[in-house]
Formats: sequence, structure tokens, C-alpha cells
Amino acid sequence: KNQVEQSPQSLIILEGKNCTLQCNYTVSPFSNLRWYKQDTGRGPVSLTIMTFSENTKSNGRYTATLDADTKQSSLHITASQLSDSASYICVVSANGANNLFFGTGTRLTVIP
Amino acid sequence: DAGVTQSPTHLIKTRGQQVTLRCSPKSGHDTVSWYQQALGQGPQFIFQYYEEEERQRGNFPDRFSGHQFPNYSSELNVNALLLGDSALYLCASSFRSGSSYNEQFFGPGTRLTVL
Repeated sequence: KNQVEQSPQSLIILEGKNCTLQCNYTVSPFSNLRWYKQDTGRGPVSLTIMTFSENTKSNGRYTATLDADTKQSSLHITASQLSDSASYICVVSANGANNLFFGTGTRLTVIP
Repeated sequence: DAGVTQSPTHLIKTRGQQVTLRCSPKSGHDTVSWYQQALGQGPQFIFQYYEEEERQRGNFPDRFSGHQFPNYSSELNVNALLLGDSALYLCASSFRSGSSYNEQFFGPGTRLTVL
């Protein structure tokens, strides 16, 4: 069964600290993996997209890693800011972008 | 360049009513997908439209129907609303290149509340 699991479910960190979010998937055949940031009540916004051959991809303070062998991905956020407070959703695609499998997200709260 | 737009932003309906949600895709995109996102959950795929036809459908009842217009915009219709239909409805657009699909861009969503 194609599934995407994320951990932790929620996380609270102090402003300026780093954090790492995890994503494990069983989607097959794997096409690509995306991390989205979703503010409350808004649509998801893409942060990174990685294909099978990519291990690391950065977007500013966001760095995503992918281990296709263990089917794991992580999203590392450095020097967190209050505006980073949002849900972070891991989305895995099978056979192209049409078949998307969503994780339930990690709710990150950054406090001053 | 406007991204994906959705209307209305919020909507309140009562059980048994019908609702229509609208989506305009990002410029240059020809494919529209609809998702339902319950509070605290990830989006669930409803269906996808390309060339004015429903191409793929998720596990949603026939009460959920849609339409795509020649200008690629799309509507999502839900009949006989249930309390459980309360959710954020997301529209995503993409460009279909041959037999493959490119990245989906999401709209801001429509928050539907069923009382």
C-alpha cells in the first residue's frame, strides 16, 4: 500500500533554533518527493522537489535530504524564524506528478 | 502572472444543500486537480480534469462532480452536503506534457463549513 508517514506530528521550537522533520514512504514506483509549507487555511507552497538521483536540495534555510534506498527524507530548517510556523507536508509522486501521496504533515510552531 | 486562484474564500452551507467551488489555473497550465483537506489531515485527491474531461478520480462518492471549461478553469460541485464535507478544498494546476505531468501548484483553497 502506498503510504507517506511524517514525524513528529507537531513540534515547538525557540526562534533561532534548528529542527529536522522526517518523512518515510512506501510509494512505489517512486518518481519524486516534494516538501510543501502550508500556512493555516492556505494552500501548500512547494519548498523542494527531489528525484531518485538527488540526495540533497536546499532552498534558503530549508535543506531536504533523500535516501531512496531506505525510503526516507528529512527537511532541516536552520535558524528558525517566527514565519516558519506552519505545517510541513511531504508529498511523494508515483509515475509522474499525477499520482500524489500526501503525508499528514508536521505542525511546526516557532516561539520567540 | 497570477497563480492559481479559487473562489469563494469561505463558504457556509447547511446539510442537504449544494455547493459550487471555482478554480482558475496558473497561466499556461491545462490540468486541474481538486483535493479535500480535513482539519489536521493531508489533502485527499478528489479528481483531475484535462481537456474538459475527468481523467482520474479518488475515493469520493458521486455527490462530488466537476467540470472543466475551454479556458481550463474548473468547478467542483458537491450535492446533498453532509457535515463531514466540511473541509478546505484545494485546487492545483499543472501542465500536461505528453504522457507525463509537471509540478502541481496549489491555490489558496476554499474553506467550506457545513452546519
